[in-house]
Amino acid sequence: KAGVTQTPRYLIKTRGQQVTLSCSPISGHRSVSWYQQTPGQGLQFLFEYFSETQRNKGNFPGRFSGRQFSNSRSEMNVSTLELGDSALYLCASSLIPRRGVNEQFFGPGTRLTVL
Amino acid sequence: GQQVMQIPQYQHVQEGEDFTTYCNSSTTLSNIQWYKQRPGGHPVFLIQLVKSGEVKKQKRLTFQFGEAKKNSSLHITATQTTDVGTYFCAGITNGGGANNLFFGTGTRLTVIP
Repeated sequence: KAGVTQTPRYLIKTRGQQVTLSCSPISGHRSVSWYQQTPGQGLQFLFEYFSETQRNKGNFPGRFSGRQFSNSRSEMNVSTLELGDSALYLCASSLIPRRGVNEQFFGPGTRLTVL
Repeated sequence: GQQVMQIPQYQHVQEGEDFTTYCNSSTTLSNIQWYKQRPGGHPVFLIQLVKSGEVKKQKRLTFQFGEAKKNSSLHITATQTTDVGTYFCAGITNGGGANNLFFGTGTRLTVIP
């Protein structure tokens, strides 16, 4: 079974631009979560999508948004990029959440650099 | 808000020494998970603990969940160079059917051969 894939793997943008990152979950996984990882802040939860609906949202400004399609693929968008948005953006998928094991399968991430 | 703190932030050990990382939550958790991230890699799931006081072992790794379900630990016996990486705990609270996953700050382990 193929793992979680993320595109692009690397991205360089300038301040003020916008960016869209894509994530394809493991086949059969309906939950997709996004995380921002930086050396100083660790893994910060952005949002979770399940069946095309945002179910959870972290403490990030409205410039960060996402969506999920009917095939469970997800995209996240960051508008008006700031230098501080430079980070590794990780996508994780999991099976239909239920009480019990909710193992997150992470993709390789997209390394975003904002100049 | 929900916070999960992890200590230490960094740990350097000689190969063969033991290693422990501790995770503390500001609120009671439903479950706790542990992940390992190798340098340059992405987090990989290790285990999930559910019950109060639960202890699970995976070869040289021992995971514990506190009685109050607010803290957890990961202990590695006789570290090897393959143990290098950052270990994250992730606390889970169940709210409204959604899974709220809060990652700890991570402990970066360096093993000196």
